[in-house]
Amino acid sequence: GAGVSQSPSNKVTEKGKDVELRCDPISGHTALYWYRQSLGQGLEFLIYFQGNSAPDKSGLPSDRFSAERTGGSVSTLTIQRTQQEDSAVYLCASNKPDRANYGYTFGSGTRLTVV
Amino acid sequence: AQSVTQLDSQVPVFEEAPVELRCNYSSSVSVYLFWYVQYPNQGLQLLLKYLSGSTLVKGINGFEAEFNKSQTSFHLRKPSVHISDTAEYFCAVSYIKAAGNKLTFGGGTRVLVKP
Repeated sequence: GAGVSQSPSNKVTEKGKDVELRCDPISGHTALYWYRQSLGQGLEFLIYFQGNSAPDKSGLPSDRFSAERTGGSVSTLTIQRTQQEDSAVYLCASNKPDRANYGYTFGSGTRLTVV
Repeated sequence: AQSVTQLDSQVPVFEEAPVELRCNYSSSVSVYLFWYVQYPNQGLQLLLKYLSGSTLVKGINGFEAEFNKSQTSFHLRKPSVHISDTAEYFCAVSYIKAAGNKLTFGGGTRVLVKP
């Protein structure tokens, strides 16, 4: 597609429920990143994919968080047993990691509210 | 550990006045540097980037930034702001040897342009 697409744009869920957040990167972008932006905070790195593999998962805050990517394209971030502190905007970005294209293209994010 | 510090969390400025947003990073190795802007309820948009070459980088919307290796800084400037520049601005760094071009972001600077 023309840009990075994320769905849903907004999600309200009850504490303890599982949620899935979807990211559809720009066609041809082999690298995909998930970040979290909490209220009043900067951007916190969660996980990075190169193709379908995740060389760097160092930012996932707990084992309740997981992510996968299939076909080198769409990625899903899953949060199990959501907690109120999971409330944040989850941003996805993609790029082609060659020198001329350094820098990401971000999606508009999914605003997750855990009540 | 990598870190990026944006010294000002908020910067109020009058329309048509100049603005400077400060960014310092910690590094003993070569880096790529970026500034992103986030308008209300939107994703992040790349303003400009420094990869190599001239230390003065020009970006979109009249913004420019200067890379200072000795001071490990990458301050963003605009000589005359508009109301439409009201947004949050994020500085980010990517370490050249790091796999996947993972970006580390600063905490953001909220710019409020007043008429």
